[in-house]
Amino acid sequence: DVKVTQSSRYLVKRTGEKVFLECVQDMDHENMFWYRQDPGLGLRLIYFSYDVKMKEKGDIPEGYSVSREKKERFSLILESASTNQTSMYLCASSYSDRGGGNTIYFGEGSWLTVV
Amino acid sequence: QKEVEQDPGPLSVPEGAIVSLNCTYSNSAFQYFMWYRQYSRKGPELLMYTYSSGNKEDGRFTAQVDKSSKYISLFIRDSQPSDSATYLCAMSPNTGGFKTIFGAGTRLFVKA
Repeated sequence: DVKVTQSSRYLVKRTGEKVFLECVQDMDHENMFWYRQDPGLGLRLIYFSYDVKMKEKGDIPEGYSVSREKKERFSLILESASTNQTSMYLCASSYSDRGGGNTIYFGEGSWLTVV
Repeated sequence: QKEVEQDPGPLSVPEGAIVSLNCTYSNSAFQYFMWYRQYSRKGPELLMYTYSSGNKEDGRFTAQVDKSSKYISLFIRDSQPSDSATYLCAMSPNTGGFKTIFGAGTRLFVKA
């Protein structure tokens, strides 16, 4: 089974704090993603990475950065947390191109509250 | 207009009913179609994956894709209370997941 592990399930941070969300996958996937999920807005892509040290902005990258130093690990960084970043954050991974395989596998989610 | 439209529900059915969940889309380039199930406060898990048009069956679940109508469906037979969850459709024009678009999800309740 594919395993995507998000180290922190529930966090409470103060406005202005720097926040790190860590994610590890064990299936040697090339691609990794960070989404946020909000009621009524669905899943929105923040950043994705298709290789070590490579990253691409998604639909809502403002206020976030990412780091991918190793293939299995993808970190999301909130440089200065704000209350509008209170959300559920989902890490995901997928193969790049394996004969049509396109499925994205998600972690359990990290619930971040910024106060 | 959103690229993927999905009725948010909630949809409430009695145990044993056949459930039909649907999504419409506007981008004719989509070729890969997925259904995910998401339990409360959990991450989405992949249920079904289909390439191009046609049907795919897996146990009580059947996924249908009609590219001519830009319409996809997920059918759940003999629904169980454990099927109560949010179901998200997803679709992509290519492999790798870069351009995957997700529906907002339909909340399903199956009453015992």
